[in-house]
Amino acid sequence: NAGVTQTPKFRVLKTGQSMTLLCAQDMNHEYMYWYRQDPGMGLRLIHYSVGEGTTAKGEVPDGYNVSRLKKQNFLLGLESAAPSQTSVYFCASSFAPANEQFFGPGTRLTVL
Amino acid sequence: GDSVTQMEGPVTLSEEAFLTINCTYTATGYPSLFWYVQYPGEGLQLLLKATKADDKGSNKGFEATYRKETTSFHLEKGSVQVSDSAVYFCALKNFGNEKLTFGTGTRLTIIP
Repeated sequence: NAGVTQTPKFRVLKTGQSMTLLCAQDMNHEYMYWYRQDPGMGLRLIHYSVGEGTTAKGEVPDGYNVSRLKKQNFLLGLESAAPSQTSVYFCASSFAPANEQFFGPGTRLTVL
Repeated sequence: GDSVTQMEGPVTLSEEAFLTINCTYTATGYPSLFWYVQYPGEGLQLLLKATKADDKGSNKGFEATYRKETTSFHLEKGSVQVSDSAVYFCALKNFGNEKLTFGTGTRLTIIP
């Protein structure tokens, strides 16, 4: 039982490049979330999904897109990376909104 | 909107010292309150939670009491260990809102 996994763990991009971060969970959770963590700002919600085939905007969605084609996977895409997107990205999942969110280990992204 | 304010770190204590990390919140209605812990290089883990006023959450020797009159959820531990060194996040979740609102985090270092 791996819980929530994220790939890759680290990535360096140049401005304007694109990439996709993958989150996978094996707990059959309906809800999945993408957060970014920046120094002095805690975690902020980028996008979330309430079930397979659904996505919704969070607090800071600009510059990101997401897809939830399979229940166990939640992808976060950056179409044209900017230095302001340098951050640590965390994926989380939960069975229901009121339940505990389980977090992945994070992806450290640097955009030069 | 909802917000969480927690004491700024970093906090450095000697082993076996008493720990308090302050957390206050602003929210409408009756949110659930959480403490998450992030150990070095890992994702966030739920440490404890409380879902209504006067509830006390506890885990691993840590405690926090949901105080509605003071809108607070302070984290305490009677005798800290080196293994408690981590970043601690206070968070709230309001009914009907999909997202967790996090504080900025408090880095705790315990020295032997």
